[in-house]
Amino acid sequence: DTAVSQTPKYLVTQMGNDKSIKCEQNLGHDTMYWYKQDSKKFLKIMFSYNNKELIINETVPNRFSPKSPDKAHLNLHINSLELGDSAVYFCASSPQGAGRNGYTFGSGTRLTVV
Amino acid sequence: AQSVSQHNHHVILSEAASLELGCNYSYGGTVNLFWYVQYPGQHLQLLLKYFSGDPLVKGIKGFEAEFIKSKFSFNLRKPSVQWSDTAEYFCAVRPGNTGKLIFGQGTTLQVKP
Repeated sequence: DTAVSQTPKYLVTQMGNDKSIKCEQNLGHDTMYWYKQDSKKFLKIMFSYNNKELIINETVPNRFSPKSPDKAHLNLHINSLELGDSAVYFCASSPQGAGRNGYTFGSGTRLTVV
Repeated sequence: AQSVSQHNHHVILSEAASLELGCNYSYGGTVNLFWYVQYPGQHLQLLLKYFSGDPLVKGIKGFEAEFIKSKFSFNLRKPSVQWSDTAEYFCAVRPGNTGKLIFGQGTTLQVKP
């Protein structure tokens, strides 16, 4: 029973397209996150929602828009995709404030923009 | 700015060798510390964590880490590595009461059989 699930696992798309990545967690956590892992494996936080409210919004282009319809879901929509958006995007969740166990990560979505 | 630095970018060891991966962070207040592992093609999994108490913490698969507050360090160790330990290792810090985990740039560990 997957705790944090992301779809799709792989996404190949052309520059200029709009795409969405979905994330769902069944752990009952209050907080969810999006991280971007670049080609050098560096992980950088993008957004965090706590119980549907945006609490962390790092310096991310406006083309990226997170949406949290409820505390179990955090989707990421990307407009006008660029080559530099190619990366692995990880969703994660935690009890409020990252709790005592850090995050639980999803398996990642590998986005390739061509 | 808060940051996490992992000194070793790529480590190659033979099986049964001992491992130590360095991690330093820049934050003067209370921190929680984590090590995550990412096996090839998989998501990040928690190896071990430090919240308070004994600065020597033990995690899964024989890994341990020592928090040295005066050195702002949280180095990961394993006495004898196995081929199956080949993976990316990430140190992460949660400053204060923030919910944000700040990750280091990762260390690639390659264990030769």
